[in-house]
Amino acid sequence: EAGVTQFPSHSVIEKGQTVTLRCDPISGHDNLYWYRRVMGKEIKFLLHFVKESKQDESGMPNNRFLAERTGGTYSTLKVQPAELEDSGVYFCASSPHKGDSIHRRYGYTFGSGTRLTVV
Amino acid sequence: GIQVEQSPPDLILQEGANSTLRCNFSDSVNNLQWFHQNPWGQLINLFYIPSGTKQNGRLSATTVATERYSLLYISSSQTTDSGVYFCAPHGSSNTGKLIFGQGTTLQVKP
Repeated sequence: EAGVTQFPSHSVIEKGQTVTLRCDPISGHDNLYWYRRVMGKEIKFLLHFVKESKQDESGMPNNRFLAERTGGTYSTLKVQPAELEDSGVYFCASSPHKGDSIHRRYGYTFGSGTRLTVV
Repeated sequence: GIQVEQSPPDLILQEGANSTLRCNFSDSVNNLQWFHQNPWGQLINLFYIPSGTKQNGRLSATTVATERYSLLYISSSQTTDSGVYFCAPHGSSNTGKLIFGQGTTLQVKP
C-alpha cells in the first residue's frame, strides 16, 4: 500500500509569488490533515478534511492560505501571496474513518513533507 | 485544549548511550503517537501507543494514560537517531487533530 505522498519535496519561491502544495493520502482514507512546522517551533495543525468537506480549519493562519480537496481524494494547499514567515515544512497526514480498527491500531500516517522556503 | 510538554528540550549523547524522553499531557487522551523528524525534515511514525509498552528494535515506548505521561526509550543510540522527537496525543474530544509537543532535539555524537 502506498503511503501519503507529498510534492514537491522542496520549493523555493520569492516573496509575493504563489505556491501550491499537493498531498495524496492513502487510498480510502476519509481524513486528511495539513500541519506545518516553522523553523525551530512545534508542529501546528492547519486544517482537517473529512472526504471533501472541511471539518476544522481553525489552524489556518490567514486568508493567504487556501486548501481544497475536490472529490475527496488528493488535496492542495495554496499560499498566495507567499510571505517570508510562511517558510517551513508542510506535512500532510491521513487516517481512515475513526470507527475503523485500522485507525485504532495505526493512527495517522504522515507524508514526508514539503520544505517551503520563501526568499 | 490539551497542553503537551516534552523534556528535555535538547539532549546530546555519545554514540552507544541510552536515553529517556518524556511527554506530559494535561488532559485525558484516546491515544498517543511518537514521531521522529530526521535531519532531512521527514516525519517518521515511531509508535502508536494508547497505554502499556511497545518495543521496536532499540526503541521502546511506555504510556501511562491515567497519569498522563509517556516515555520514549532509546538504547545504544546511533548517529542516525539524531533529529527531533515529537509526541502527539490524540484528544478525547475526538476533534481529529493532533497536538504536538515542542519536541526534544537529540544529537548523537560519534
